[in-house]
Amino acid sequence: GQQVQQSPASLVLQEGENAELQCNFSTSLNSMQWFYQRPEGSLVSLFYNPSGTKQSGRLTSTTVIKERRSSLHISSSQITDSGTYLCAMERDTGNYKYVFGAGTRLKVIA
Amino acid sequence: DMKVTQMPRYLIKRMGENVLLECGQDMSHETMYWYRQDPGLGLQLIYISYDVDSNSEGDIPKGYRVSRKKREHFSLILDSAKTNQTSVYFCASSLLGTDYEQYFGPGTRLTVL
Repeated sequence: GQQVQQSPASLVLQEGENAELQCNFSTSLNSMQWFYQRPEGSLVSLFYNPSGTKQSGRLTSTTVIKERRSSLHISSSQITDSGTYLCAMERDTGNYKYVFGAGTRLKVIA
Repeated sequence: DMKVTQMPRYLIKRMGENVLLECGQDMSHETMYWYRQDPGLGLQLIYISYDVDSNSEGDIPKGYRVSRKKREHFSLILDSAKTNQTSVYFCASSLLGTDYEQYFGPGTRLTVL
């Protein structure tokens, strides 16, 4: 079954609205990361090993490793936030092999 | 300039042909990855390399092999490509460890006819 489940699968927001993206893990994990994939396909890392709460601009990641969950909060969404948000977990300590979720596809409209 | 490059960007091959995808990085990162991404799915790890000649299988290594002879280069080889290997392939690199960001290449779109 799916080891990394992301919800919602897709989301449409009006510009300025906030969003909460969820990532749940079915097995224990060592660490996790959040990634953003632009509509044209390129990938960037947003947060890496974000245990606890970390913020970068309008993005806030909150991860509770022992509860096997992480969330990504996007505040005051902008059209340029549109794209796919992926989370990934490192299953086992020290091998740096990541298992990805299927992603949340976000569309922000004017 | 922190960059991961991939060549070629687009490739069309016939079933049974050999395929070589190349990845380079200029950050002296120890760890390099090959992933594939199919429509509507996240990335799947094919292989990881921890340094020169130190490679390990990911979740879907069947039908693929890799080569890393220099720290800055990591190649993905498909011997006798199959139609179900049609996909977008991403290479990534990072420093060795959990607390480090992965840097991605632009991807290679491979079509096997």
